[in-house]
Amino acid sequence: GDSVTQMEGPVTLSEEAFLTINCTYTATGYPSLFWYVQYPGEGLQLLLKATKADDKGSNKGFEATYRKETTSFHLEKGSVQVSDSAVYFCALGPDKLIFGTGTRLQVFP
Amino acid sequence: ETGVTQTPRHLVMGMTNKKSLKCEQHLGHNAMYWYKQSAKKPLELMFVYNFKEQTENNSVPSRFSPECPNSSHLFLHLHTLQPEDSALYLCASSLLSLGVQETQYFGPGTRLLVL
Repeated sequence: GDSVTQMEGPVTLSEEAFLTINCTYTATGYPSLFWYVQYPGEGLQLLLKATKADDKGSNKGFEATYRKETTSFHLEKGSVQVSDSAVYFCALGPDKLIFGTGTRLQVFP
Repeated sequence: ETGVTQTPRHLVMGMTNKKSLKCEQHLGHNAMYWYKQSAKKPLELMFVYNFKEQTENNSVPSRFSPECPNSSHLFLHLHTLQPEDSALYLCASSLLSLGVQETQYFGPGTRLLVL
């Protein structure tokens, strides 16, 4: 069946460092891909999405490109901030979202 | 109040208790969802409701009983739970849920501990 694999965390970075969180997927058909973020004590928030191959989703300085040839949707940010510390979930859809296990990001000043 | 709200935020219950979780959405959506989030595991979809009708039950044990009286409210009734049911229970809503690329909006969750 469909599945999502994310890199194990935690990812620990200094402020202003470059971030990459890897996500690969297995799916039949043409799924949509999502990144959700969960800040401490809160529910999940949609960060960005891409609905077809080669689409790039972007929001708040984060980007991810839907790569069909490598079945990947890696999350990147050029310069992280302490406020980006959270758990990041990759997911595929569109109707029944299938989530990865989440990757915790810790950013230190 | 806007978005998706959940009450209570924290709940401790014994295995013989009966309790209910409540979710309310103020977004005018027609689809609502219950998810279970356990440590070290992916989010698990439990139930989906579209226009108050249950359209998905993801092999959830009968000790979890959902109720959707209208498109804005969703309940999860709990009885005779097991310690392994301890988790964060998340509610979400979306405009529709029928293969359409709709964004799901999540509540903050109820942290449940079963003793």
